[in-house]
Amino acid sequence: DQQVKQNSPSLSVQEGRISILNCDYTNSMFDYFLWYKKYPAEGPTFLISISSIKDKNEDGRFTVFLNKSAKHLSLHIVPSQPGDSAVYFCAASGGNTGNQFYFGTGTSLTVIP
Amino acid sequence: KAGVTQTPRYLIKTRGQQVTLSCSPISGHRSVSWYQQTPGQGLQFLFEYFSETQRNKGNFPGRFSGRQFSNSRSEMNVSTLELGDSALYLCASSYTGNTEAFFGQGTRLTVV
Repeated sequence: DQQVKQNSPSLSVQEGRISILNCDYTNSMFDYFLWYKKYPAEGPTFLISISSIKDKNEDGRFTVFLNKSAKHLSLHIVPSQPGDSAVYFCAASGGNTGNQFYFGTGTSLTVIP
Repeated sequence: KAGVTQTPRYLIKTRGQQVTLSCSPISGHRSVSWYQQTPGQGLQFLFEYFSETQRNKGNFPGRFSGRQFSNSRSEMNVSTLELGDSALYLCASSYTGNTEAFFGQGTRLTVV
């Protein structure tokens, strides 16, 4: 079963605008969430994380929002740049999952110059 | 600081054969996890090792196995390869296993 879902396989955004990538999860025991970015033929690169004690975490152009009641998190990229074009994965862990991270299926972001 | 190194980068094997993939974690990292990535399936967790012990295992058949050495390097083995095992196999390391993990570039396995 897919405990972490990214329902948008792809997203296109104009350069300079905001990119919003969404992620939903089903396991209420998850308490740690991460976003990774992946270019073709490379491994995923860690972007930003958030623990369940917070509802927002910022790092430069990247902000992650967590809505625990809705079991939803989102990644905002402002402003979007062409180099941000990649596949973005969200991941979650916690509770009885041990040290296993559950990943979504990814959203392919294209930033149009 | 060197990143996570996976070898080989590419591999072609025939059905029924076995394969061993290697992962060298970042220095100081004691947790190594393995993931399988196939199109449309995201990253599926295989197993995690910490200090030479398997701590967690995903929902994969027993043909998939692994081990970790005292220097934290890890190997993953797949026996009796099937066509469906064709995938990108990713290794990730972290200090303790419950913080952000850093991935290698992966090994692209093709089974023909």
